[in-house]
Amino acid sequence: GAVVSQHPSRVICKSGTSVKIECRSLDFQATTMFWYRQFPKKSLMLMATSNEGSKATYEQGVEKDKFLINHASLTLSTLTVTSAHPEDSSFYICSAPDRKNTGELFFGEGSRLTVL
Amino acid sequence: GEDVEQSLFLSVREGDSSVINCTYTDSSSTYLYWYKQEPGAGLQLLTYIFSNMDMKQDQRLTVLLNKKDKHLSLRIADTQTGDSAIYFCAEKGNQGGKLIFGQGTELSVKP
Repeated sequence: GAVVSQHPSRVICKSGTSVKIECRSLDFQATTMFWYRQFPKKSLMLMATSNEGSKATYEQGVEKDKFLINHASLTLSTLTVTSAHPEDSSFYICSAPDRKNTGELFFGEGSRLTVL
Repeated sequence: GEDVEQSLFLSVREGDSSVINCTYTDSSSTYLYWYKQEPGAGLQLLTYIFSNMDMKQDQRLTVLLNKKDKHLSLRIADTQTGDSAIYFCAEKGNQGGKLIFGQGTELSVKP
């Protein structure tokens, strides 16, 4: 099946710094990618929909200036957590939809962010 | 609005069958999914069912869909310790193809 890869898988940063997470579709093109955040023992919260060549669509309550999303090519979307704080520590997962209309999402491995 | 509900925990003994239940609210859902998440990993699609089906079987997995009651279940036969994970039910929403996830059911398999 299709493969989505995320990098880095783990990152630790100091409070106030910015962190970029990359999401790549390895063997298919993705005009749309979804970014989710997962808290411990909790479900996935959709943060935003990344659209190639245009602005991302953010879910209600998600700060656009805090979580910058760029989808510059058909195989790469990036999420930048700006001026990170300890409360931003979480597991961030990206996904890309199947080109067939089943709605299946292929998920990256996830990125564990820890802000000290 | 769209909502998906699951029980949070299930514990079974190795070799038994596991049944994970899910209810959803959006009657226009076209596809419903079961995803598996192992610790520290992303989500892996286990199976999906189209809304005009009421059952789908794939090896040890059986999905039952009761569209009238908006109830979906996943049965794992001969559950193994390697099946221990969090299982997410999801429906395809009617807005932009987003998937709406349940809270996840943590399955614990005891030897």
